[in-house]
Formats: sequence, C-alpha cells, structure tokens
Amino acid sequence: QVQLVESGGGVVQPGGSLRLSCAASGFTFSSYGMHWVRQAPGKGLEWVAFIRYDGSNKYYADSVKGRFTISRDNSKNTLYLQMNSLRAEDTAVYYCAKDNSVREIVGATGFDYWGQGTLVTVSS
Amino acid sequence: AIQLTQSPSSLSASVGDRVTITCRASQGISSALAWYQQKPGKAPKLLIYDASSLESGVPSRFSGSGSGTDFTLTISSLQPEDFATYYCQQFNSYPALTFGGGTKVEIK
Repeated sequence: QVQLVESGGGVVQPGGSLRLSCAASGFTFSSYGMHWVRQAPGKGLEWVAFIRYDGSNKYYADSVKGRFTISRDNSKNTLYLQMNSLRAEDTAVYYCAKDNSVREIVGATGFDYWGQGTLVTVSS
Repeated sequence: AIQLTQSPSSLSASVGDRVTITCRASQGISSALAWYQQKPGKAPKLLIYDASSLESGVPSRFSGSGSGTDFTLTISSLQPEDFATYYCQQFNSYPALTFGGGTKVEIK
C-alpha cells in the first residue's frame, strides 16, 4: 500500500535551517509529482511547493520563495524540503502529498495520498 | 493568484441532515476543483476531484458539483464519522495551487 512518511521536524530558532524528508513506498515514486503542504496550528491548509516527477520543474508559494528548496531523489524514493531563514510564521505541521497525475500525461486533479505530517516549530 | 472562498466557515448539523458547503473561485477554473476531509490530528483525505468525481472508496453520500467559479460539496445524510473540516483546492493554475479556508462541520 502507498505510504508517505515525513521526518526531520523539530524546534529551530528564527533564522535557522531544517531539512524535511518524505520517504515514499508502495507506488512508482519517479512517475508522480510531489508537493509539500503546511498547516499552522489551528489554521487551514497552505500549499508550499511542487516538484515534477523527474525533478525538472519546481514551483513555490510566494511565502517561501527564495528560502525553501524542494528536491527529490528518485533512486531513494525520497522527497525533501530544505528550509532556510526560518521565521515564526513558518511554524506548522508539514505534509508531503502525492498528486494523481502519472508523468503529467493527464493533468493532476487531486492529492490522493498524504503523509502523517511533521511539526516544525520556529521559536527562540 | 486564484483565491478560493468557502462558506460557511462553520456549521452545526445533526446526524441524518443534508449538508451543503460552497466554494467560490476568484476567477473561472473550469472543473479543476478537489474537496478534502480532515479530522483533528490527521492528514487530509481526498473526497472529490474534477469537481464531481468521487474518489475510490469514498461513500456515495458525498457528492460535488459546479464549474467555473461556483462549487458545492454535499453530504446527503450526515453520519457521525463525517464531523470534520472540509477544504476545497483548485488545480486550474497547477502547479501553483490554493486551498479554501475550510468549513468545520460540528455536531448540533
């Protein structure tokens, strides 16, 4: 069965860095676009970043552009989010999510699998 | 950027009630809309994609409709396990995606 397992969250001071990982299994990881979505405590969902199935295209929300970098290692079935210059407002549960478009043959229409989330707290 | 506005932000309903949640897009998005259910402490779950297509394994009491700028999620007969927060998400500007603000469905 499909599994997405995030790790790497924790407490970090403002201005610090953190790298999140998302280990994927149960599907052909190299065939699907992947995303990071976050949720601040008590708030709604915010899409953060996307990476194409082959890593050739990346896209970011304006709120993290220039500070966060999404990447993937298809040989390790793992998705990453490098977070630099962290701010208090980046405090959130971070989810990785798989979209349902196989190699973008047909456009994505939903995120069909999500990880359990990892909590990032930015605080001094 | 395309904005999604959900209404209401919360509602109280009883088991067996018919519940309707609305999502309005700031510009036309064809049928590129998904709906998710999220329970406390859990990841969101995909319910509906392409505005009206039911995700595999989702009960048929859930349905979606709409196109352009106005969309609805309907639960035909609310069950105890349906008390949760519901979000819409647009895919028209993929991969720059946005979510609605959420609608919390509570027990009356």
